[in-house]
Amino acid sequence: DTGVSQDPRHKITKRGQNVTFRCDPISEHNRLYWYRQTLGQGPEFLTYFQNEAQLEKSRLLSDRFSAERPKGSFSTLEIQRTEQGDSAMYLCASSLRRAGSPLHFGNGTRLTVT
Amino acid sequence: DAKTTQPNSMESNEEEPVHLPCNHSTISGTDYIHWYRQLPSQGPEYVIHGLTSNVNNRMASLAIAEDRKSSTLILHRATLRDAAVYYCIRYGGSQGNLIFGKGTKLSVKP
Repeated sequence: DTGVSQDPRHKITKRGQNVTFRCDPISEHNRLYWYRQTLGQGPEFLTYFQNEAQLEKSRLLSDRFSAERPKGSFSTLEIQRTEQGDSAMYLCASSLRRAGSPLHFGNGTRLTVT
Repeated sequence: DAKTTQPNSMESNEEEPVHLPCNHSTISGTDYIHWYRQLPSQGPEYVIHGLTSNVNNRMASLAIAEDRKSSTLILHRATLRDAAVYYCIRYGGSQGNLIFGKGTKLSVKP
């Protein structure tokens, strides 16, 4: 069990640029989640996949955000035309499909938009 | 809406037990109770979860009230490394995601 891996750990970008983050889940996990966390707050749900199907998207996920999980393994989260308000920690997690299965989180990608 | 209530902060002394309370008075019969903790600059870490019975693992114990409207996470001997934000979360089997509240910030004094 190598855990959930996220890349990069840190990203600094200028407003208006596009950024893409990658998440590699635990290999046998078929669910993959994206969360966003700002300072002093708990993580906020963005979206989740079961295998390659995106099953739920939060209202937080504006049109500038898109997530994919093309082969049901790794996932990418892209933010287009970044804004300063997008500055946050972006967390990925994975779990088994079984009811109540715990989520295993990566250590996140910290995005700073200048 | 996190649907759970936790104290904002708690303090403990090192090597003493810590009881972290959580209220979830509107919990449904299929909701599990999950606990996660988060250290600074890290992602949340799964601690323990349960449905009806008390649960023990190497990290902690979870005591669930008989009516399931509250639960308590028990750290048997707090260490400095246990200082973190602890989140109590209701997680239904059909629900796709965890909804985090603000959690309890635990400070451990040497």
